[in-house]
Amino acid sequence: KAGVTQTPRYLIKTRGQQVTLSCSPISGHRSVSWYQQTPGQGLQFLFEYFSETQRNKGNFPGRFSGRQFSNSRSEMNVSTLELGDSALYLCASSVGSGANVLTFGAGSRLTVL
Amino acid sequence: KQEVTQIPAALSVPEGENLVLNCSFTDSAIYNLQWFRQDPGKGLTSLLLIQSSQREQTSGRLNASLDKSSGRSTLYIAASQPGDSATYLCAVRHQTGANNLFFGTGTRLTVIP
Repeated sequence: KAGVTQTPRYLIKTRGQQVTLSCSPISGHRSVSWYQQTPGQGLQFLFEYFSETQRNKGNFPGRFSGRQFSNSRSEMNVSTLELGDSALYLCASSVGSGANVLTFGAGSRLTVL
Repeated sequence: KQEVTQIPAALSVPEGENLVLNCSFTDSAIYNLQWFRQDPGKGLTSLLLIQSSQREQTSGRLNASLDKSSGRSTLYIAASQPGDSATYLCAVRHQTGANNLFFGTGTRLTVIP
């Protein structure tokens, strides 16, 4: 059974650019959550999608957005990149919310120069 | 807002020793608590999930306990091995069951052969 797949694994961008990250959940999982991990702030919740609808959103500016497709794959987009956006972006999938275990992908490491 | 703290931040132990990692949270209105490990530069691997109604969960050499009323959880690792070296994170899910986990700051464990 394939795990959570995130692409790309590594990328380098410059300030002001935008970036799109992709997450393919485990087959049968309908919930996809995104997290940002930085040395200073640790792991912080960005947003969750379930059945193509955003269910929850963390405390991030509007430059961070996401969407989910009918096959449950999800993308997140960060526009007008800032140096502070450099982080490991982790995606997690689960069957639904609540009691379900979250399974994380390996992450996409974004460096903003 | 939920605050999750893990003590100690770093721990070094000789191989074979038993050890305890601590996690505390400020809001006892949780749905469940999950322990993860993270290897350098990698994603998160789920270790144990404890529902709010449970007191403990065991998997192999790992045992996690939960005292919801006091806002504490511990992860006990028996007979530690060098392969256990990693960062251990605890995360709590609010009682609404939403997938926005609140993560602790992590404990970096080094097991010395």
